[in-house]
Amino acid sequence: DIQMTQSPASLSASLGETVTIECLASEDIYSNLAWYQQKPGKSPQLLIYDASSLQDGVPSRFSGSESGTQYSLEINSLQSEDAATYFCQQHHDYPPTFGGGTKLELK
Amino acid sequence: EVQLQQSGPELRRPGSSVKLSCKASGYSITDYLMHWVKHRPEHGLEWIGWIDPEDGETKYAQKFQSKATLTADTSSNTAYMQLSSLTSEDTATYFCARAAGTLVMDAWGQGASVTVSS
Repeated sequence: DIQMTQSPASLSASLGETVTIECLASEDIYSNLAWYQQKPGKSPQLLIYDASSLQDGVPSRFSGSESGTQYSLEINSLQSEDAATYFCQQHHDYPPTFGGGTKLELK
Repeated sequence: EVQLQQSGPELRRPGSSVKLSCKASGYSITDYLMHWVKHRPEHGLEWIGWIDPEDGETKYAQKFQSKATLTADTSSNTAYMQLSSLTSEDTATYFCARAAGTLVMDAWGQGASVTVSS
């Protein structure tokens, strides 16, 4: 199975700041990477797929990028509603596998 | 609006089974694959498998092949997952999620908690 190593496990940031969350794939996943947001008590929501394609309705302050097998989610101009857990998922091969998650707290 | 409404929390004895439901609204389940995902805080998210409600085709992760059974009822627009021979390792929250394409999940249920305890 493809391992997805996500970092950091948690981070704290202030309103208006920019944060970056990373996922490292154990092998080439050919840009087949999705990012999800899960707020407490809510269902996960798809943010980005194919490494950098923004899901309909997702604010443009969310963006995804890649460098080799390292994938990044950047959130610009943090807003209070961005406090959540974020996780990555490779959608290249079976079984689809997930990163361990990053809990983002707003100061 | 696409919604997936899952059944409520379940408490089961070890060795028993449980059947979870996932009722879709806002679309026809025959138009998309339906995934099931397991979540335990200390283990993260694990993909269980998917079902194609149109023809009943299923695909499972190897570790869940003898644990989970995925079915669907197109008349009620509902997908189901049965978990058998429950152990404490099955204590988790289970999500259903609609597939966008094949392995991307673009809509999720709210999750169903299963607790296995004697």
